[in-house]
Amino acid sequence: TQLLEQSPQFLSIQEGENLTVYCNSSSVFSSLQWYRQEPGEGPVLLVTVVTGGEVKKLKRLTFQFGDARKDSSLHITAAQPGDTGLYLCAGGRSGGGADGLTFGKGTHLIIQP
Amino acid sequence: NAGVTQTPKFQVLKTGQSMTLQCAQDMNHEYMSWYRQDPGMGLRLIHYSVGAGITDQGEVPNGYNVSRSTTEDFPLRLLSAAPSQTSVYFCASSYSADAAKNTQYFGPGTRLTVL
Repeated sequence: TQLLEQSPQFLSIQEGENLTVYCNSSSVFSSLQWYRQEPGEGPVLLVTVVTGGEVKKLKRLTFQFGDARKDSSLHITAAQPGDTGLYLCAGGRSGGGADGLTFGKGTHLIIQP
Repeated sequence: NAGVTQTPKFQVLKTGQSMTLQCAQDMNHEYMSWYRQDPGMGLRLIHYSVGAGITDQGEVPNGYNVSRSTTEDFPLRLLSAAPSQTSVYFCASSYSADAAKNTQYFGPGTRLTVL
């Protein structure tokens, strides 16, 4: 199983600030996904990045897949309290996705008003 | 569509008891999987299925059994519950077997406590 390391594990910032969450591995992935999870609920997919160097934007969220497809980042601009949650990155267990996903341990994000 | 449903939402067991966590999806998805989520450990794959009649082990399969007799249902069985199985369990489904490129739809979870 290929491992995904997320950092930081916890992040608490003020509304309006910018932040970046990182997802790193020593292994190559065919694609990486980012999920967001709220308390008492299951994770919800935000984005899938497939091509090395790919950048995807979802309103104030920008996702990037590293050129070597070993890492990814999530950048939030002008964070809002509604962005509070657990952010998880995930990739295929063996690099591809046919045998399921491996998840990072997550970043707990709190945006204070 | 109801999406992915899980029952029960909460369960307390005594060590040694057995139970089945139910999971159903109404999206005609071929791929289904079970994860457990523990504090500080993230989500870990228990078992997965790429279609009716086909199942395989994930990262942490010991103590759990699964079967997939229909496309819709993917129950997870705990044969003899242990305190180490206290966790939140999530079922997920997706359209195809390439889990890393397809949207995984997660159920709301079952919170299990084993005393």
